[in-house]
Amino acid sequence: QKEVEQNSGPLSVPEGAIASLNCTYSDRVSQSFFWYRQYSGKSPELIMSIYSNGDKEDGRFTAQLNKASQYVSLLIRDSQPSDSATYLCAVKGGSSASKIIFGSGTRLSIRP
Amino acid sequence: DTGVSQDPRHKITKRGQNVTFRCDPISEHNRLYWYRQTLGQGPEFLTYFQNEAQLEKSRLLSDRFSAERPKGSFSTLEIQRTEQGDSAMYLCASSLAGAGVQETQYFGPGTRLLVL
Repeated sequence: QKEVEQNSGPLSVPEGAIASLNCTYSDRVSQSFFWYRQYSGKSPELIMSIYSNGDKEDGRFTAQLNKASQYVSLLIRDSQPSDSATYLCAVKGGSSASKIIFGSGTRLSIRP
Repeated sequence: DTGVSQDPRHKITKRGQNVTFRCDPISEHNRLYWYRQTLGQGPEFLTYFQNEAQLEKSRLLSDRFSAERPKGSFSTLEIQRTEQGDSAMYLCASSLAGAGVQETQYFGPGTRLLVL
């Protein structure tokens, strides 16, 4: 079992719709959770961080965390073509200590 | 520009040659991380420093790889006797860590290595 699992996609969403990206993790004592966006050929860019159960909203982005289910998600409202990218879920803390463990990413495509 | 910078951005080398990459972190950040990313995968942890101390190295990091951060500022990553399997994007990230701080890592633009 991978430490951080994501569906590789591609996930195709019409422009203006809500894109929902999901991630599960295996280390139950993980403390910090991140979503990074990565455009092709570029480096990861932090979108959201979340540390406690529930929802955290920032503009069109909402991160959701459920530690009991070991599940974290990212919702993108009013999807735009510029949101087309690979979204990386990352988990830190617990037995992995300081390093971040990344999932392999979900490729998101917003179709006009 | 006050973000993380990396040099060079691209490197093509022949198998067996040595290469060295440099990373300059965000100035007030005390931690510096190196990752490797191959196509279709997420970044894979290699090693990290807190100030000048190298605190953790991945088991996947062979003895051909070495990293330094001599003065707690910039860091170098050297790969000796490169192999074709070393071809990847090498990413550097920095963060501010300490009591009461929620640590967040910020990435540089990466160095893309191609070993022929």
